[in-house]
Amino acid sequence: GAVVSQHPSRVICKSGTSVKIECRSLDFQATTMFWYRQFPKQSLMLMATSNEGSKATYEQGVEKDKFLINHASLTLSTLTVTSAHPEDSSFYICSARDSGNYDYTFGSGTRLTVV
Amino acid sequence: RKEVEQDPGPFNVPEGATVAFNCTYSNSASQSFFWYRQDCRKEPKLLMSVYSSGNEDGRFTAQLNRASQYISLLIRDSKLSDSATYLCVVSHKAAGNKLTFGGGTRVLVKP
Repeated sequence: GAVVSQHPSRVICKSGTSVKIECRSLDFQATTMFWYRQFPKQSLMLMATSNEGSKATYEQGVEKDKFLINHASLTLSTLTVTSAHPEDSSFYICSARDSGNYDYTFGSGTRLTVV
Repeated sequence: RKEVEQDPGPFNVPEGATVAFNCTYSNSASQSFFWYRQDCRKEPKLLMSVYSSGNEDGRFTAQLNRASQYISLLIRDSKLSDSATYLCVVSHKAAGNKLTFGGGTRVLVKP
């Protein structure tokens, strides 16, 4: 089946630094990538939607200058958390939509801890 | 009001028993409905899509009630491995088919 590889699975960084999270679709073309954030005991909240080759669309309340999304190819999208703060500590998950059949495939998630 | 609401639980279920829970959604334009399963600290995984006529997949049965805007999931003959958080998910074309997640219902199956 379709696989989305997400890296890193876990990262600890210092406050003020930036962290890049990668999601790569391994055997299909992901025209759309969704980025979610999940705080403990809460549900997944959509942060932004990115289409290959165009700017991402951010959900209300998500700072586009803080969460930089790049979707330069049909198989790779990245989320960079810039100037990270402890309140950015969360579980970040990507989900790729297959252009062929509109199935959604989730990455395995990245647990970010900002200290 | 949240777009998708679920009872957070936990539902404590004896092994072998049946458990059922609902999810309500507020957007009447919602067109697609799913149940996902999420284990602790893992990504959600699709359990089943929910169709208007209701559908069954082994021990799992999903129902959709458009008039009352809720969907349900029933698990028969619960296994210990069914312990997880079950996420109700809806989408609609006008929103670009993006998925909207409920807060999840936690199910704990005990021996």
